[in-house]
Amino acid sequence: EAGVVQSPRYKIIEKKQPVAFWCNPISGHNTLYWYLQNLGQGPELLIRYENEEAVDDSQLPKDRFSAERLKGVDSTLKIQPAELGDSAVYLCASSLVGLANEQFFGPGTRLTVL
Amino acid sequence: AQSVTQPDIHITVSEGASLELRCNYSYGATPYLFWYVQSPGQGLQLLLKYFSGDTLVQGIKGFEAEFKRSQSSFNLRKPSVHWSDAAEYFCAGLLSGGYNKLIFGAGTRLAVHP
Repeated sequence: EAGVVQSPRYKIIEKKQPVAFWCNPISGHNTLYWYLQNLGQGPELLIRYENEEAVDDSQLPKDRFSAERLKGVDSTLKIQPAELGDSAVYLCASSLVGLANEQFFGPGTRLTVL
Repeated sequence: AQSVTQPDIHITVSEGASLELRCNYSYGATPYLFWYVQSPGQGLQLLLKYFSGDTLVQGIKGFEAEFKRSQSSFNLRKPSVHWSDAAEYFCAGLLSGGYNKLIFGAGTRLAVHP
């Protein structure tokens, strides 16, 4: 069974440019998470979806970040415009719906903003 | 505030030696606790989890962890380390209150000497 798929794996952009990351969760997983991982830190949750609904987006900087999961399957995270401080790894994870179900993580997208 | 702390940023052990990675938590009620491993360029993989019951938890790859309420700790152990165990290890706790949100520690990077 395929795991969580993310693309691209690496992205280098100049500041003020837009960027988008894509995630395809494990088949059947209703819950999808986007995490931000800064260098030398643990992941921090940006947004959590249950099916199409964003049930926790309290940590998403809504002035420049947006996310969507239109059909309740794959998801896109966008930054517009990117800033130097956005350089980090963006991780996607998925799980079955319910408390404390195991979250399966994708390999992440490493973003470098110049 | 609920938090997870990993006091050791970097640990080096010799192959075949025993390993203990420390994790301390700050939670009101009995927490759900996890250990994840992240190899370079890979997503996080769940090693083990503690919800309740037996305080000694067995995981994959020969790892185990012990929950000690009196010390607010959930330390990860392995009796004999292999070179392939070199990676970053993250302790995480599940935020209570129905939020289903993982709070990660900053991670401990493990290096293994031959």
